[in-house]
Amino acid sequence: EVQLVESGGGLVQPGRSLRLSCAASGFTFDDYAMHWVRQAPGKGLEWVSGISWNSGRIAYADSVKGRFTISRDNAKNSLYLQMNSLRAEDTALYYCAKLSPVSWGQGTMVTVSS
Amino acid sequence: DIQMTQSPSSLSASVGDRVTITCQASQDISNYLNWYQQKPGKAPKLLIYDASNLETGVPSRFSGSGSGTDYSFTISSLQPEDIATYYCQQYDNLPRLTFGPGTKVDIK
Repeated sequence: EVQLVESGGGLVQPGRSLRLSCAASGFTFDDYAMHWVRQAPGKGLEWVSGISWNSGRIAYADSVKGRFTISRDNAKNSLYLQMNSLRAEDTALYYCAKLSPVSWGQGTMVTVSS
Repeated sequence: DIQMTQSPSSLSASVGDRVTITCQASQDISNYLNWYQQKPGKAPKLLIYDASNLETGVPSRFSGSGSGTDYSFTISSLQPEDIATYYCQQYDNLPRLTFGPGTKVDIK
């Protein structure tokens, strides 16, 4: 069974940093591109960042470019999102996801507030 | 970047009604389109992939069609359990994705 389990969320002050992790199991992790998608409270889904299977292609939403860094460790079947210079508008539930076939984690909540 | 527009933003229909949602991409996305259902407090659930393929286990009242830049999603007979928000998502230029803004479906 495919499982994606996010961790690392929490309450953080504006301007501070946080690192999210996604532990993958049940599939060959290094065969797939991986993504981070977020959803602010009461809002729609927003793609944040994606990384190819070998980290050779990486993309970011304009809203996080220059502040967030996606990475992966295929030996550890893990995906990461380093979030720096956090803002109130980064408050959201952050999901780890893969496509083809599609799987999503249950998300980890990030709250940016003083 | 590919932009996705989705309409309507919300709709209210009766049980048994046919419901259609449309999604338009800013450029040809070659049928690389998913449709998701999301209920409150839950992760999105894939219903349709590659624009028109029904995900395993999804009821046949859900369907998708379209090509190029224009796509549609239909619930042939709305059921009470279909109350949710529906999103389209393009994946034509991986690893970049784009979601539509969503359509909230209610029962009248």
